[in-house]
Amino acid sequence: KQEVTQIPAALSVPEGENLVLNCSFTDSAIYNLQWFRQDPGKGLTSLLLIQSSQREQTSGRLNASLDKSSGRSTLYIAASQPGDSATYLCAVSFYNTDKLIFGTGTRLQVFP
Amino acid sequence: GAVVSQHPSWVICKSGTSVKIECRSLDFQATTMFWYRQFPKQSLMLMATSNEGSKATYEQGVEKDKFLINHASLTLSTLTVTSAHPEDSSFYICSARAPTGSAEAFFGQGTRLTVV
Repeated sequence: KQEVTQIPAALSVPEGENLVLNCSFTDSAIYNLQWFRQDPGKGLTSLLLIQSSQREQTSGRLNASLDKSSGRSTLYIAASQPGDSATYLCAVSFYNTDKLIFGTGTRLQVFP
Repeated sequence: GAVVSQHPSWVICKSGTSVKIECRSLDFQATTMFWYRQFPKQSLMLMATSNEGSKATYEQGVEKDKFLINHASLTLSTLTVTSAHPEDSSFYICSARAPTGSAEAFFGQGTRLTVV
């Protein structure tokens, strides 16, 4: 059974810091991995999608890396801002199914 | 990116009544949509896969007679919570895959259901 774990569970930092959020998965035979942001009481916003053949993706201050062999992905947030405060979720999908398996999430708070 | 719209965003209903939640793909066709449930401060749990023109596929432990799913068109899937009880109170979110080869998943805004 695929398990997806995120570390840390919660993070509180002053603005301006560079952050690293970790996602690990037990089955390396993934099709792709996606990072999402969720604001309280809201749906999910897709941040970055990494295909299994890719090593990283970048969008603005966000950079996500993927190491399939070790079952890990990292979301790097540069120069964090209070507006980055949210819960960040990673999710993996597989070749033989459209299902997404979600991680446990990291609740991020960036204070001024 | 692709847009998935969910309605209503919140609903309060009495115990024993039924509630219908709609999920629409606004700018693409989705043969498959997904319904998730999320409890406070927890991650998303897949409830069922909605297939256009056929029966939904439910995850283990999800009562299909309790959570009725209908995917009558390529842009609309509905989840009906039948005979709702307070323990059904939760945040329900739908999702659809982009029609491109990337298979990126997009989510609706979610529906907060409160059963009183």
